[in-house]
Amino acid sequence: AQRVTQPEKLLSVFKGAPVELKCNYSYSGSPELFWYVQYSRQRLQLLLRHISRESIKGFTADLNKGETSFHLKKPFAQEEDSAMYYCALSGTGNTGKLIFGQGTTLQVKP
Amino acid sequence: GAGVSQTPSNKVTEKGKYVELRCDPISGHTALYWYRQSLGQGPEFLIYFQGTGAADDSGLPNDRFFAVRPEGSVSTLKIQRTERGDSAVYLCASRGQTGGGYTFGSGTRLTVV
Repeated sequence: AQRVTQPEKLLSVFKGAPVELKCNYSYSGSPELFWYVQYSRQRLQLLLRHISRESIKGFTADLNKGETSFHLKKPFAQEEDSAMYYCALSGTGNTGKLIFGQGTTLQVKP
Repeated sequence: GAGVSQTPSNKVTEKGKYVELRCDPISGHTALYWYRQSLGQGPEFLIYFQGTGAADDSGLPNDRFFAVRPEGSVSTLKIQRTERGDSAVYLCASRGQTGGGYTFGSGTRLTVV
């Protein structure tokens, strides 16, 4: 079965601390993985995707096929990073539909 | 328009009533998706349109749910005989070229009382 698991509902860190938001997936194939972010009172937006291998707002994520993980990392958290983060998977085929995890709330304290 | 527009932003309806939720995608985006997000959960896929046709409706929970996109742009999600369990935020997203990222609307919060 296709599944995305984000084990932490809430992650609370102090400003300047490293952040790692965990994401594990289950998929029998070669999925495409994404991180979406929703800031307070804003719509869901794409943060990054694994095929781009880019860093957005200081965040990076590496796809580890052996561990079926796609953890989101940032070395030094900022208060403006506080938001809800969703990991999502898109399977093979052209539909592009996404399977989302339950989300992790990141709270960065001053 | 500049983004994906969803109307209404909030809808309160009585159990058993019929509701329609509208999505106006980014102009020229051929792919359109509907998702449902219940409290404390991630979005769950409902239906995908490529142009005017529903290419994948495997996420619709039952036959009370139906969606159309008659001219390949605006889409309407229709829910008959609403139940309290239908209460959720209904999200619409559109996408241009294959492999491009989604653009989400701000959602319609449906409350069935």
